[in-house]
Amino acid sequence: QVQLVESGGGVVQPGRSLRLSCAASGFTFRSYGMLWVRQAPGKGLEWVALISNDENNKYYSDSVKGRFTISRDNSKNTLYLQMNSLRAEDTAVYYCSYAVFDSWGQGTLVTVSS
Amino acid sequence: QAGLTQPPSVSKDLRQTATLTCTGNSNNVGNQGAAWLQQHQGHPPKLLSYRNNNRPSGISERFSASRSGNTASLTITGLLPEDEADYYCSAWDNNLSAWVFGGGTKLTVL
Repeated sequence: QVQLVESGGGVVQPGRSLRLSCAASGFTFRSYGMLWVRQAPGKGLEWVALISNDENNKYYSDSVKGRFTISRDNSKNTLYLQMNSLRAEDTAVYYCSYAVFDSWGQGTLVTVSS
Repeated sequence: QAGLTQPPSVSKDLRQTATLTCTGNSNNVGNQGAAWLQQHQGHPPKLLSYRNNNRPSGISERFSASRSGNTASLTITGLLPEDEADYYCSAWDNNLSAWVFGGGTKLTVL
């Protein structure tokens, strides 16, 4: 069955960087767009970034544009999110998903705090 | 990016019908319809419906989605205790080239 496993979260100081990974299995990874969605503690869902199946198209929310980079390795069935210049307001559980939110991982918690 | 508008909370009795709404504009909901997600406390979201009323396999027929103009709706019939959850709508915005979410509706089953 479809499985998405996020990793790479943790506690990081403001201004530092972190890279999240999402290992995918159970579907043809290279055929689908992938996306990151985050959820701050006690808040709603916020879309972060989207990448097309061939990596040719990438889209970002205004709140992360210029700081975050989405990428993928179709040979490894893995999605990435490079997060630079982290801010306190980036604190959230980060989920990966595919296609039109077809399936979700359990999420990885990123805490930005000094 | 402007989000979609959902009522913060809805309360309905057991076995009744709840209709949740999601209002956007012609660039998002009015263009490609909305996806609906259910999230129980402490769990990741689950897709209930996409492009208005396409249900993934395994999703109960008690959940049905529709759209009228720039407003999408999710109707849940025969409410069960396990339907108590947060419900989010989302749509691709052609003008923003971004997915936009609603703020979520907390459904309470009395």
